[in-house]
Amino acid sequence: GNSVTQMEGPVTLSEEAFLTINCTYTATGYPSLFWYVQYPGEGLQLLLKATKADDKGSNKGFEATYRKETTSFHLEKGSVQVSDSAVYFCALTHTGGFKTIFGAGTRLFVKA
Amino acid sequence: GAGVSQTPSNKVTEKGKYVELRCDPISGHTALYWYRQSLGQGPEFLIYFQGTGAADDSGLPNDRFFAVRPEGSVSTLKIQRTERGDSAVYLCASSSDRNQPQHFGDGTRLSIL
Repeated sequence: GNSVTQMEGPVTLSEEAFLTINCTYTATGYPSLFWYVQYPGEGLQLLLKATKADDKGSNKGFEATYRKETTSFHLEKGSVQVSDSAVYFCALTHTGGFKTIFGAGTRLFVKA
Repeated sequence: GAGVSQTPSNKVTEKGKYVELRCDPISGHTALYWYRQSLGQGPEFLIYFQGTGAADDSGLPNDRFFAVRPEGSVSTLKIQRTERGDSAVYLCASSSDRNQPQHFGDGTRLSIL
C-alpha cells in the first residue's frame, strides 16, 4: 500500500543554517506530494505541493522537488529562521484519489 | 474568511461513554475529511465526504465509529462505547474539491479516562 517515510526528529539548527528534511514514499502510479506544517498552537496548513515528476513546489523560501526515480520529496530551505520552528509533515494523495497519507512528522527547532 | 471550525476543542470523558465531535467546514467546500492523530504520529485518514455522502469510510477503525453530514455542510463524528485507545486529536479538513488543497481545523483533543 501507499506509505510515506520521513526523517526522525527533532532537528535542531541555528538561525541561517541550511535545512533538509528527507521524505521518501511508496505508491503505485503517480501520486501528488505535499509538505504540511504545524506551527506551535496552530492547525495543520499546506506549505507546498507538487503534482507530477520533476515539479518543484515552493513557498516561504522552502522548496521540494518531486523525484520519481528516487521516490523522494525532500524539503529544503537555504536559511532558516526562528519562526520556522514547527512540525513538518510529508504526505501523498494518489492520483484521482482523496485519501491523504501522512508521514510521522519531523519537529524542527531553530535557535537564535 | 472563516476557516474550518471544530468543537469542542477538548473533550474528557470516561471509558464506555458516547461522544460527538463537530466540524464546521469552510463555506462552500463540498469535500470534508476526518483524520485521527495520535501523539508523535501524522494524521491518519478516517473518512471522506463528498457532499452528504461518505465516499470512503475505509479508515474508520471499527463499527463504534460513525460520521454523518446530513446537509452537506456540518459533519459530526460519533464514537460509541469509547475506549482508552480512542484518545487522540481528531482533525477535520475541507476542500472546494477533492483535487484541491485541504484546509484543516485546529482539532478536538479527546481524552478517555
